[in-house]
Amino acid sequence: EAGVAQSPRYKIIEKRQSVAFWCNPISGHATLYWYQQILGQGPKLLIQFQNNGVVDDSQLPKDRFSAERLKGVDSTLKIQPAKLEDSAVYLCASSLDQFLRGFSPLHFGNGTRLTVT
Amino acid sequence: AQKITQTQPGMFVQEKEAVTLDCTYDTSDPSYGLFWYKQPSSGEMIFLIYQGSYDQQNATEGRYSLNFQKARKSANLVISASQLGDSAMYFCAMRPPRNTGGFKTIFGAGTRLFVKA
Repeated sequence: EAGVAQSPRYKIIEKRQSVAFWCNPISGHATLYWYQQILGQGPKLLIQFQNNGVVDDSQLPKDRFSAERLKGVDSTLKIQPAKLEDSAVYLCASSLDQFLRGFSPLHFGNGTRLTVT
Repeated sequence: AQKITQTQPGMFVQEKEAVTLDCTYDTSDPSYGLFWYKQPSSGEMIFLIYQGSYDQQNATEGRYSLNFQKARKSANLVISASQLGDSAMYFCAMRPPRNTGGFKTIFGAGTRLFVKA
């Protein structure tokens, strides 16, 4: 099966500019996640979708970050305006969370490395 | 609140030897899932092994095994016969039960493993 697709692979922007990341999950995976991974740290969940509804966005800086998942498939994550501390790798993941299977692993894309100068 | 702790920032192991990466967790839920992921320098997160909290036996996947001690709340990863390609970051992760409102996976800070030839 095809894996989780993300683009772009790298992005360099200046502070106060905007940027958008795209993610296409594995076909059939209902749950989609966006994680932020700062260098040397573990991934931190930004937002989680179940189909096209938001399940958890408690750690999403909503004054500058937004995300949507149209038609329950692809997703975009946007940052506007970007700050220096947003420099990180943004990982998209999906999982097959059927009703009877509560602990499916996450399948990750290759991530987008964002550098804000 | 749930928490994952990985106390080894870096580990060295000689090629062909076994190595144990430590992971402790904190949760009040009786049901949860524990995962280990590998992140090579390329950046992609790769799922390695899963252990359910009610599983009676320790999980094994090829050269990977999970030493699960529920009373101690530890889930250590054991890699047998280390290979040069095992050099990477390793993350321990935990998911709560599905009936708590989501499938939020939290990650530890990671352990960087160096395999020496």
